[in-house]
Amino acid sequence: SSELTQDPAVSVALGQTVRITCQGDSLRFHYASWYQQKPGQAPVLVIYGKNNRPSGIPDRFSGSSSGNTASLTITGAQAEDEADYYCNCRDSSGNRVFGGGTKLTVL
Amino acid sequence: EVQLVESGGGLIQPGGSLRLSCAAPGFTVTSNSMSWVRQAPGKGLEWVSLITSDGSTYFADSVKGRFTISRDISKNTLYLQLSSLRVEDTAMYYCARERVDAAAMEWYFDLWGRGTLVTVSS
Repeated sequence: SSELTQDPAVSVALGQTVRITCQGDSLRFHYASWYQQKPGQAPVLVIYGKNNRPSGIPDRFSGSSSGNTASLTITGAQAEDEADYYCNCRDSSGNRVFGGGTKLTVL
Repeated sequence: EVQLVESGGGLIQPGGSLRLSCAAPGFTVTSNSMSWVRQAPGKGLEWVSLITSDGSTYFADSVKGRFTISRDISKNTLYLQLSSLRVEDTAMYYCARERVDAAAMEWYFDLWGRGTLVTVSS
């Protein structure tokens, strides 16, 4: 099975831009989806496909991909964006794989 | 309202069995691919199992041979049968609906339940 690697923690100043990355061989062939999880809550989808946001997700969230790396960018981070973020994609066997998660702190 | 509601979690001894349920009011479980995802206390998300709309099943290596995924059309419910449970299976178990982005042909989880907690301990 494939693995997805994320930085364990990232911080950003309020109103600044932050990029959260996800690396893995499967990302050369598949787009990642991204999930936000706040303490005690279920995950919420924030980005899917090439760069799509579900209804209700602010446009400060965007996604991109290059080679074996997928990125989630938050442009103008807000206090409410402080959360854990997980990437996910499928591997060559059809299994779904999550990255280890990135804890985002908004300073 | 479209939602997912898990149930069936609890405290179970190592080696025991448990069946988790995921009710899906508002949409038809069998028309969608559905997954189970778990999260051990203080840890990250781990995909566990998938059943596609045509009934194909997939399992993470960590649970293969021990867990079974199924669904009941009449009850519109997804199930996860957990057997030969280990302490390391202790986690919040979420069910999630999958959708496909037709443009990119990629799957993603668009709807999640609130989870049901399984604790494996003697």
